[in-house]
Amino acid sequence: NAGVTQTPKFQVLKTGQSMTLQCAQDMNHEYMSWYRQDPGMGLRLIHYSVGAGITDQGEVPNGYNVSRSTTEDFPLRLLSAAPSQTSVYFCASTPGTPGNEQFFGPGTRLTVL
Amino acid sequence: LAKTTQPISMDSYEGQEVNITCSHNNIATNDYITWYQQFPSQGPRFIIQGYKTKVTNEVASLFIPADRKSSTLSLPRVSLSDTAVYYCLVAPGYSTLTFGKGTMLLVSP
Repeated sequence: NAGVTQTPKFQVLKTGQSMTLQCAQDMNHEYMSWYRQDPGMGLRLIHYSVGAGITDQGEVPNGYNVSRSTTEDFPLRLLSAAPSQTSVYFCASTPGTPGNEQFFGPGTRLTVL
Repeated sequence: LAKTTQPISMDSYEGQEVNITCSHNNIATNDYITWYQQFPSQGPRFIIQGYKTKVTNEVASLFIPADRKSSTLSLPRVSLSDTAVYYCLVAPGYSTLTFGKGTMLLVSP
């Protein structure tokens, strides 16, 4: 199993540009989530999904959209990038029960100029 | 929402046992306590999870007192490679899974 994969690993955007961060998992996990981590900070939950077709907002959802059309994929969209969205983004998946072990991807380092 | 409090940093030497304590006074009945480890430029990695009393696996032990208002992660005989940030999480539900700033553990020779 590849586990949780994320692409790209690095990305530089200009203010106002849009892009999609990709996340995929091959473990057939129901729960997937997106976090952002700013320097010296812990991870903050952006959006999460409890299954295909079901998504909800986390702690810091503004400026981000998600969708979950399949169990495997959970893309994160930035519609109009802002410098405040400069961060490292992690995707994670977990089998299902809240509190279960989360498996994290390697992260995407995003810089918005 | 159960908020957690951990020391910002800890120092240790190779071969010593390290205990990191996390406070979670508002823990709910259904909450589990989970610890993660994070190295620079990597995603967090699950270490151990427990509900009450003591849990042990091949890398760590987790001690939880009867009132469950705190927990202690114990790392036996740490090595330089254990230098990392350690996060304590309390999970009342998936939507409110929150990572605090964690504890930066520095292991020296």
